[in-house]
Amino acid sequence: DVKVTQSSRYLVKRTGEKVFLECVQDMDHENMFWYRQDPGLGLRLIYFSYDVKMKEKGDIPEGYSVSREKKERFSLILESASTNQTSMYLCASRKGRPYGYTFGSGTRLTVV
Amino acid sequence: TQLLEQSPQFLSIQEGENLTVYCNSSSVFSSLQWYRQEPGEGPVLLVTVVTGGEVKKLKRLTFQFGDARKDSSLHITAAQPGDTGLYLCAGVGDSGYALNFGKGTSLLVTP
Repeated sequence: DVKVTQSSRYLVKRTGEKVFLECVQDMDHENMFWYRQDPGLGLRLIYFSYDVKMKEKGDIPEGYSVSREKKERFSLILESASTNQTSMYLCASRKGRPYGYTFGSGTRLTVV
Repeated sequence: TQLLEQSPQFLSIQEGENLTVYCNSSSVFSSLQWYRQEPGEGPVLLVTVVTGGEVKKLKRLTFQFGDARKDSSLHITAAQPGDTGLYLCAGVGDSGYALNFGKGTSLLVTP
């Protein structure tokens, strides 16, 4: 069964900490994406990567960075966590442009 | 930014009822996708519609893409409690790569 795996389902971090969210896919997909989902705001695109070592800013990249050193892994980094980054973080991958996304189960991050 | 507006925002119905949810935009999309998300999980792709006027059926779910490719609808016949979830429409945004999502329709089907 093909999968997108996010390393943690729940995380609690302190303000100012550097936070790493890991996402791994086993489908040899080219494209990978990070979204955050908040009540009333829906899914918002943070960063995406269309190929290894490539990255593009989404709609809300401030306070985040990403790394894609290998095709199967796409990491989201919160450089200095803040309370307004408390959210559900969703990773997705896709074979290519016409295809749909496969999502991970999400990481619910709370910054205190 | 290509916005997708979904309506209604919330829908609570009883088992056996029919319902339709809508996804509208002022922009033209090359394709639209529908996803369903259950609480605590990531969205799961239901369907992709590509051609204006296209109708696709998935068991009791019927998806339609508007002729002008600016809107789509999802009709559920004889809803069941297992249909409960957040229904999201999505289309490729300004980046040409990533999907923009509507805010979703939250459906609750009670026995």
